[in-house]
Amino acid sequence: KNEVEQSPQNLTAQEGEFITINCSYSVGISALHWLQQHPGGGIVSLFMLSSGKKKHGRLIATINIQEKHSSLHITASHPRDSAVYICAAVLTGNQFYFGTGTSLTVIP
Amino acid sequence: NAGVTQTPKFQVLKTGQSMTLQCAQDMNHNSMYWYRQDPGMGLRLIYYSASEGTTDKGEVPNGYNVSRLNKREFSLRLESAAPSQTSVYFCASKGRLAITGELFFGEGSRLTVL
Repeated sequence: KNEVEQSPQNLTAQEGEFITINCSYSVGISALHWLQQHPGGGIVSLFMLSSGKKKHGRLIATINIQEKHSSLHITASHPRDSAVYICAAVLTGNQFYFGTGTSLTVIP
Repeated sequence: NAGVTQTPKFQVLKTGQSMTLQCAQDMNHNSMYWYRQDPGMGLRLIYYSASEGTTDKGEVPNGYNVSRLNKREFSLRLESAAPSQTSVYFCASKGRLAITGELFFGEGSRLTVL
């Protein structure tokens, strides 16, 4: 059983579409990270959330601690958004649970 | 500002050979981590170091050793490589806030063991 579940596993969208990636977790957490990994590339932190909502450019992340759920939204999607998006739940300072990732492909 | 630097980026080993993956961060972070990433699985923690001079096992430590030589550097050693250790390895460090510090990752090291 994975403590962090992401959906969908794979997502294909047309350029310009609004995209939502979901992350549910089964344990009590102190924070949650959204990460981005481009093909063959490194991993970049997009957001770290402990409550509410954060926005950076076309990316919006929300978290509902009571419902143990977080979402990552991409507005006006672009082919350069094509990547794997990973959520990571923070249990303690050094204990993270990682989802298996959502592979996003945005078609021009 | 280089962030987290890990070397080498690619390595091919024969079964039984040894090697060390090097990682350095220039952000004065206390916590550093080694993860492995395998297809269809989330990142799995091999070892971590909460501060200089301390190391702890993660989820999959067997076959690996680590050294936190100083605050900047955290190395991962495979003493006798096995095909099951074929993977992509990521070093990471965490921002200074204990619980909510941002994660910074290296570019990854792709290791193939034949």
